[in-house]
Amino acid sequence: GAVVSQHPSRVICKSGTSVKIECRSLDFQATTMFWYRQFPKQSLMLMATSNEGSKATYEQGVEKDKFLINHASLTLSTLTVTSAHPEDSSFYICSAARTSGGRGDTQYFGPGTRLTVL
Amino acid sequence: EDQVTQSPEALRLQEGESSSLNCSYTVSGLRGLFWYRQDPGKGPEFLFTLYSAGEEKEKERLKATLTKKESFLHITAPKPEDSATYLCAVQAGSNTGKLIFGQGTTLQVKP
Repeated sequence: GAVVSQHPSRVICKSGTSVKIECRSLDFQATTMFWYRQFPKQSLMLMATSNEGSKATYEQGVEKDKFLINHASLTLSTLTVTSAHPEDSSFYICSAARTSGGRGDTQYFGPGTRLTVL
Repeated sequence: EDQVTQSPEALRLQEGESSSLNCSYTVSGLRGLFWYRQDPGKGPEFLFTLYSAGEEKEKERLKATLTKKESFLHITAPKPEDSATYLCAVQAGSNTGKLIFGQGTTLQVKP
């Protein structure tokens, strides 16, 4: 199988605090992980690409100083939402890419983290 | 510009009524086309990867097919538990690994 876990599954925090979300690939190594954000009844919006051992690549319009990404090992990437505000409330989903020998890599998704900022 | 369009946006079926979901794409150098199922409040669940035109894959009541311009997800004799949003995504030849998602088709199967 290809299992990806996320922790926590839901978090409620006060405005101005920072929140860390962990993404782990449990049964395979992932050189590349991705972080998405999803608003109600919309498709996934890619925030950043996380590469093990190097800096993350952020999509246009995503503030890298607000959404800190660390990919310290081949099985763990973290997303820290710094100084969270109510507009950061959303469903955050990570994925881990499993290589397929030169063809398109399949991304396996975590269960998501529901962030609510009061 | 790489683009993915899914149709219909929403589909209501009676249990046992077979149908197909469409995913049309334009991409520079297709590296893979992916189908996912997403239940409310959960992350997408991987269903299929298709790499080249003519390829087909099956899993239980689902069958995915691929041409040079589109992919179909056929659902045979659906059950209420097949109700979900089905997402189609493509990976372009730029090799960044990014997925370009369609807006999804929300399927409701009534008993």
